[in-house]
Amino acid sequence: TQLLEQSPQFLSIQEGENLTVYCNSSSVFSSLQWYRQEPGEGPVLLVTVVTGGEVKKLKRLTFQFGDARKDSSLHITAAQPGDTGLYLCAGDRGFQKLVFGTGTRLLVSP
Amino acid sequence: DTAVSQTPKYLVTQMGNDKSIKCEQNLGHDTMYWYKQDSKKFLKIMFSYNNKELIINETVPNRFSPKSPDKAHLNLHINSLELGDSAVYFCASSRLGGSNTGELFFGEGSRLTVL
Repeated sequence: TQLLEQSPQFLSIQEGENLTVYCNSSSVFSSLQWYRQEPGEGPVLLVTVVTGGEVKKLKRLTFQFGDARKDSSLHITAAQPGDTGLYLCAGDRGFQKLVFGTGTRLLVSP
Repeated sequence: DTAVSQTPKYLVTQMGNDKSIKCEQNLGHDTMYWYKQDSKKFLKIMFSYNNKELIINETVPNRFSPKSPDKAHLNLHINSLELGDSAVYFCASSRLGGSNTGELFFGEGSRLTVL
């Protein structure tokens, strides 16, 4: 059973555009993490959101945790080619069990 | 100095063979994991160990056997390899134990191709 659905699956945009990636679930998570994975490498943590409604900013990236702690979004302002990669959300079900989302592949062209 | 290192990075083998992947972390973390990433990039947990003790064992065929000789190492042995085992296997570690998972630190992955 797929617990975390991400949309869109693929996104190809031009440098300077804005975009939003969504991560949705019917389950409640104690926290939610966002990772970025580049080809040939393992995922690297971008941010963890813990409180319902929480908003965190990391330079041009804005992360929000839904009020009910079931969903999250990632907004990128003025995307750059360096933002290209696979974005993964991951819900913490506790006791070392992270459930990863289906992933969003982002390609930012110059 | 690589934090989580796994070997080999690439593995090509025939169906029916047995193979192992090794993982080591130098972060002093107590918890280590094996994840499988399929061709659609979906990451699924297979096992987790906390201080050498098996904590999570997802619905993985018993052809897969993890082994943790100490808390810095977690190896994965696979018997009687099948075509469907082809994937990228990631080792990861985390500092926190207990109810919170904490940040995962991943290795670079081991790409297994079964012919």
